[in-house]
Amino acid sequence: GAVVSQHPSWVICKSGTSVKIECRSLDFQATTMFWYRQFPKQSLMLMATSNEGSKATYEQGVEKDKFLINHASLTLSTLTVTSAHPEDSSFYICSARAPGETQYFGPGTRLLVL
Amino acid sequence: KQEVTQIPAALSVPEGENLVLNCSFTDSAIYNLQWFRQDPGKGLTSLLLIQSSQREQTSGRLNASLDKSSGRSTLYIAASQPGDSATYLCAVSDGTASKLTFGTGTRLQVTL
Repeated sequence: GAVVSQHPSWVICKSGTSVKIECRSLDFQATTMFWYRQFPKQSLMLMATSNEGSKATYEQGVEKDKFLINHASLTLSTLTVTSAHPEDSSFYICSARAPGETQYFGPGTRLLVL
Repeated sequence: KQEVTQIPAALSVPEGENLVLNCSFTDSAIYNLQWFRQDPGKGLTSLLLIQSSQREQTSGRLNASLDKSSGRSTLYIAASQPGDSATYLCAVSDGTASKLTFGTGTRLQVTL
Protein backbone atom coordinates (compact mmCIF):
# COMPACT_ATOMS: atom_id res chain seq x y z
CA GLY A 1 0.00 0.00 0.00
CA ALA A 2 0.89 3.66 -0.25
CA VAL A 3 3.23 5.04 2.42
CA VAL A 4 3.04 8.42 4.10
CA SER A 5 5.77 9.54 6.48
CA GLN A 6 5.90 12.32 9.03
CA HIS A 7 8.89 14.00 10.59
CA PRO A 8 9.58 14.44 13.40
CA SER A 9 7.66 11.73 15.21
CA TRP A 10 7.69 13.77 18.38
CA VAL A 11 8.93 17.16 19.47
CA ILE A 12 9.22 19.04 22.74
CA CYS A 13 9.66 22.80 22.58
CA LYS A 14 9.46 25.88 24.72
CA SER A 15 6.47 28.15 24.62
CA GLY A 16 6.82 30.82 21.95
CA THR A 17 8.91 28.83 19.50
CA SER A 18 7.78 27.67 16.07
CA VAL A 19 7.67 24.03 15.09
CA LYS A 20 7.62 22.61 11.56
CA ILE A 21 6.17 19.18 10.80
CA GLU A 22 6.75 17.49 7.47
CA CYS A 23 4.40 15.09 5.71
CA ARG A 24 5.68 13.12 2.73
CA SER A 25 4.05 10.68 0.35
CA LEU A 26 6.83 8.24 -0.39
CA ASP A 27 5.58 6.24 -3.35
CA PHE A 28 2.82 8.27 -4.95
CA GLN A 29 2.01 11.82 -5.91
CA ALA A 30 -0.43 13.45 -3.54
CA THR A 31 -2.41 16.26 -5.09
CA THR A 32 -4.23 16.76 -1.80
CA MET A 33 -2.97 16.53 1.75
CA PHE A 34 -4.92 16.89 4.95
CA TRP A 35 -3.83 17.89 8.44
CA TYR A 36 -5.63 16.59 11.53
CA ARG A 37 -5.24 17.22 15.22
CA GLN A 38 -6.08 14.76 17.95
CA PHE A 39 -6.28 15.66 21.63
CA PRO A 40 -5.93 12.89 24.25
CA LYS A 41 -8.83 10.45 24.18
CA GLN A 42 -10.57 12.41 21.48
CA SER A 43 -11.09 11.77 17.82
CA LEU A 44 -9.30 13.33 14.89
CA MET A 45 -10.38 16.79 13.88
CA LEU A 46 -9.62 18.08 10.41
CA MET A 47 -7.62 21.30 10.55
CA ALA A 48 -7.03 22.08 6.90
CA THR A 49 -6.93 20.74 3.38
CA SER A 50 -4.05 21.64 1.10
CA ASN A 51 -3.80 21.20 -2.62
CA GLU A 52 -0.44 21.28 -4.33
CA GLY A 53 0.44 24.74 -5.51
CA SER A 54 -2.48 26.55 -3.93
CA LYS A 55 -3.43 28.00 -0.56
CA ALA A 56 -4.74 25.69 2.12
CA THR A 57 -8.40 25.67 3.10
CA TYR A 58 -8.82 25.87 6.85
CA GLU A 59 -11.69 24.48 8.88
CA GLN A 60 -13.77 26.81 10.97
CA GLY A 61 -12.02 27.77 14.19
CA VAL A 62 -8.51 26.98 12.97
CA GLU A 63 -6.25 30.04 12.84
CA LYS A 64 -4.48 30.14 9.50
CA ASP A 65 -1.86 32.56 10.78
CA LYS A 66 -0.97 30.21 13.59
CA PHE A 67 -0.96 26.99 11.61
CA LEU A 68 0.91 27.70 8.39
CA ILE A 69 0.56 25.04 5.72
CA ASN A 70 2.71 24.76 2.65
CA HIS A 71 2.19 22.18 -0.10
CA ALA A 72 4.98 23.09 -2.48
CA SER A 73 5.34 19.75 -4.22
CA LEU A 74 3.29 16.65 -4.98
CA THR A 75 5.09 14.69 -2.28
CA LEU A 76 5.58 17.18 0.54
CA SER A 77 3.38 19.28 2.78
CA THR A 78 4.52 21.11 5.88
CA LEU A 79 2.63 22.36 8.91
CA THR A 80 4.28 25.09 10.96
CA VAL A 81 2.88 25.82 14.39
CA THR A 82 3.94 29.41 14.98
CA SER A 83 4.58 30.76 18.48
CA ALA A 84 3.48 27.49 20.01
CA HIS A 85 1.81 27.50 23.42
CA PRO A 86 0.97 24.66 25.81
CA GLU A 87 -2.60 24.48 24.49
CA ASP A 88 -1.16 23.55 21.08
CA SER A 89 0.22 20.35 22.56
CA SER A 90 -1.47 17.59 20.61
CA PHE A 91 -1.02 14.70 18.20
CA TYR A 92 -0.84 15.97 14.61
CA ILE A 93 -1.59 13.52 11.81
CA CYS A 94 -1.41 14.14 8.09
CA SER A 95 -2.94 12.19 5.26
CA ALA A 96 -2.30 12.24 1.54
CA ARG A 97 -4.49 11.42 -1.39
CA ALA A 98 -3.90 10.87 -5.06
CA PRO A 99 -6.73 11.82 -7.43
CA GLY A 100 -9.60 9.36 -7.14
CA GLU A 101 -7.90 7.44 -4.36
CA THR A 102 -8.47 7.00 -0.66
CA GLN A 103 -6.52 8.89 1.98
CA TYR A 104 -3.36 7.32 3.40
CA PHE A 105 -2.36 8.42 6.86
CA GLY A 106 1.00 9.23 8.33
CA PRO A 107 2.17 7.87 11.70
CA GLY A 108 1.58 11.18 13.47
CA THR A 109 3.71 13.75 15.30
CA ARG A 110 3.34 14.29 19.01
CA LEU A 111 3.95 17.90 20.02
CA LEU A 112 4.54 18.93 23.62
CA VAL A 113 4.91 22.62 24.34
CA LEU A 114 6.34 23.45 27.74
CA LYS B 1 -22.66 19.73 9.70
CA GLN B 2 -21.90 16.02 9.73
CA GLU B 3 -21.60 14.40 13.15
CA VAL B 4 -20.35 10.88 13.70
CA THR B 5 -20.95 8.98 16.93
CA GLN B 6 -19.62 5.63 18.03
CA ILE B 7 -21.08 3.35 20.65
CA PRO B 8 -19.82 2.04 22.98
CA ALA B 9 -16.99 4.37 23.90
CA ALA B 10 -15.11 1.51 25.51
CA LEU B 11 -15.49 -2.24 25.50
CA SER B 12 -13.70 -5.08 27.25
CA VAL B 13 -14.28 -8.67 26.15
CA PRO B 14 -12.58 -12.01 26.80
CA GLU B 15 -10.59 -13.57 24.02
CA GLY B 16 -12.62 -15.54 21.49
CA GLU B 17 -15.80 -13.52 21.73
CA ASN B 18 -17.52 -12.03 18.70
CA LEU B 19 -18.28 -8.34 19.03
CA VAL B 20 -20.01 -5.48 17.27
CA LEU B 21 -18.98 -1.84 17.18
CA ASN B 22 -21.51 0.76 16.14
CA CYS B 23 -21.17 3.98 14.19
CA SER B 24 -23.91 6.47 13.35
CA PHE B 25 -23.82 9.61 11.25
CA THR B 26 -26.30 12.46 10.89
CA ASP B 27 -26.03 13.31 7.19
CA SER B 28 -26.70 10.38 4.87
CA ALA B 29 -25.16 12.16 1.87
CA ILE B 30 -21.85 10.36 2.19
CA TYR B 31 -19.42 9.18 -0.47
CA ASN B 32 -18.01 6.32 1.55
CA LEU B 33 -17.36 5.11 5.09
CA GLN B 34 -14.13 3.76 6.48
CA TRP B 35 -13.19 1.87 9.60
CA PHE B 36 -9.74 2.49 11.03
CA ARG B 37 -7.68 1.04 13.82
CA GLN B 38 -5.44 3.20 15.98
CA ASP B 39 -2.93 1.81 18.44
CA PRO B 40 -1.91 4.05 21.37
CA GLY B 41 0.27 6.94 20.22
CA LYS B 42 0.24 5.73 16.64
CA GLY B 43 -1.30 6.72 13.34
CA LEU B 44 -4.25 5.12 11.61
CA THR B 45 -4.52 1.79 9.84
CA SER B 46 -7.37 1.49 7.36
CA LEU B 47 -9.37 -1.69 7.91
CA LEU B 48 -12.32 -1.53 5.58
CA LEU B 49 -13.80 0.96 3.15
CA ILE B 50 -17.43 0.78 2.07
CA GLN B 51 -18.64 2.85 -0.86
CA SER B 52 -22.03 4.49 -0.45
CA SER B 53 -23.52 2.07 -2.98
CA GLN B 54 -22.33 -0.99 -1.07
CA ARG B 55 -23.92 -2.78 1.87
CA GLU B 56 -20.92 -4.51 3.37
CA GLN B 57 -17.25 -5.34 3.10
CA THR B 58 -15.30 -8.22 4.57
CA SER B 59 -11.66 -8.71 5.36
CA GLY B 60 -10.63 -11.78 7.32
CA ARG B 61 -12.34 -11.73 10.71
CA LEU B 62 -13.76 -8.26 10.07
CA ASN B 63 -17.08 -7.46 8.47
CA ALA B 64 -18.43 -3.94 8.08
CA SER B 65 -21.98 -3.12 7.07
CA LEU B 66 -23.49 0.13 5.92
CA ASP B 67 -27.10 1.30 6.04
CA LYS B 68 -26.80 4.69 4.44
CA SER B 69 -30.46 5.64 4.69
CA SER B 70 -30.54 5.16 8.44
CA GLY B 71 -27.06 6.61 8.93
CA ARG B 72 -25.54 3.53 10.53
CA SER B 73 -22.59 1.23 10.15
CA THR B 74 -21.40 -1.70 12.19
CA LEU B 75 -18.02 -3.39 12.45
CA TYR B 76 -18.22 -7.04 13.37
CA ILE B 77 -15.09 -8.70 14.74
CA ALA B 78 -15.19 -12.48 14.92
CA ALA B 79 -13.21 -14.58 17.38
CA SER B 80 -11.51 -11.61 19.01
CA GLN B 81 -7.83 -11.82 19.96
CA PRO B 82 -5.70 -9.78 22.38
CA GLY B 83 -3.96 -8.29 19.33
CA ASP B 84 -7.26 -6.70 18.36
CA SER B 85 -6.98 -4.38 21.36
CA ALA B 86 -6.92 -0.83 19.99
CA THR B 87 -9.17 2.14 19.35
CA TYR B 88 -11.48 1.72 16.38
CA LEU B 89 -12.57 4.81 14.48
CA CYS B 90 -15.17 5.15 11.79
CA ALA B 91 -15.06 8.05 9.37
CA VAL B 92 -17.41 9.23 6.66
CA SER B 93 -16.37 11.01 3.52
CA ASP B 94 -18.50 13.82 2.15
CA GLY B 95 -19.99 14.00 -1.32
CA THR B 96 -16.84 15.35 -2.89
CA ALA B 97 -14.88 12.38 -1.55
CA SER B 98 -12.39 14.58 0.19
CA LYS B 99 -13.14 15.53 3.78
CA LEU B 100 -13.30 12.81 6.40
CA THR B 101 -15.36 13.30 9.52
CA PHE B 102 -14.27 10.98 12.28
CA GLY B 103 -16.30 9.38 14.99
CA THR B 104 -15.50 9.50 18.66
CA GLY B 105 -13.92 6.05 18.66
CA THR B 106 -14.42 2.81 20.55
CA ARG B 107 -11.58 1.69 22.78
CA LEU B 108 -11.48 -2.12 22.66
CA GLN B 109 -9.62 -4.36 25.08
CA VAL B 110 -9.53 -8.09 24.52
CA THR B 111 -8.41 -9.95 27.61
CA LEU B 112 -6.83 -13.37 27.92
